[in-house]
Amino acid sequence: KQEVTQIPAALSVPEGENLVLNCSFTDSAIYNLQWFRQDPGKGLTSLLLIQSSQREQTSGRLNASLDKSSGRSTLYIAASQPGDSATYLCAVEVNAGKSTFGDGTTLTVKP
Amino acid sequence: GAVVSQHPSRVICKSGTSVKIECRSLDFQATTMFWYRQFPKQSLMLMATSNEGSKATYEQGVEKDKFLINHASLTLSTLTVTSAHPEDSSFYICSAAGGAADTQYFGPGTRLTVL
Repeated sequence: KQEVTQIPAALSVPEGENLVLNCSFTDSAIYNLQWFRQDPGKGLTSLLLIQSSQREQTSGRLNASLDKSSGRSTLYIAASQPGDSATYLCAVEVNAGKSTFGDGTTLTVKP
Repeated sequence: GAVVSQHPSRVICKSGTSVKIECRSLDFQATTMFWYRQFPKQSLMLMATSNEGSKATYEQGVEKDKFLINHASLTLSTLTVTSAHPEDSSFYICSAAGGAADTQYFGPGTRLTVL
């Protein structure tokens, strides 16, 4: 059974800092991995999708990496802003099409 | 990327009533749709998998008679929460895929509050 763990559970940083969120998964036989952002009371916003054959994806200040063999992914946020404050979820999609989500990292960026 | 919509985005209902949530794939045909539920401060959990034209497959612990799923077309799946109770208050998210092994595209979610 696939298990997804996100560390840390919560993170508070001052504005402008670069930061890394971590996601680990137990079964490396994945189809893809997605990083989502969730604002309080709101739905999911897909940030980056990494296919199993890829090693990283970039969008603006965000960079996500994937190391299937070690069961790890990181989400790097450069020059953090208060507007980045949210919960970040990673989800691993297995070949059967189902996704397993981590519990998320709640990020607070202080002005 | 592909777009998946959900309606309504928020719904408040009285205990004992039934609520229907729609999930639509707007620009692709979704052979498979998934329904997830998220309780406060918890991660999303898969409730069921539905394939167009066939009965949904429910995850362990999910009551199929309470959470009715219909996937009658390649662009629409519905989740009906029957006889809703306050403990059913949750965030419900659907995702859609062109096939069982294809990338899932997630809807924005529906916040259900049962009074």
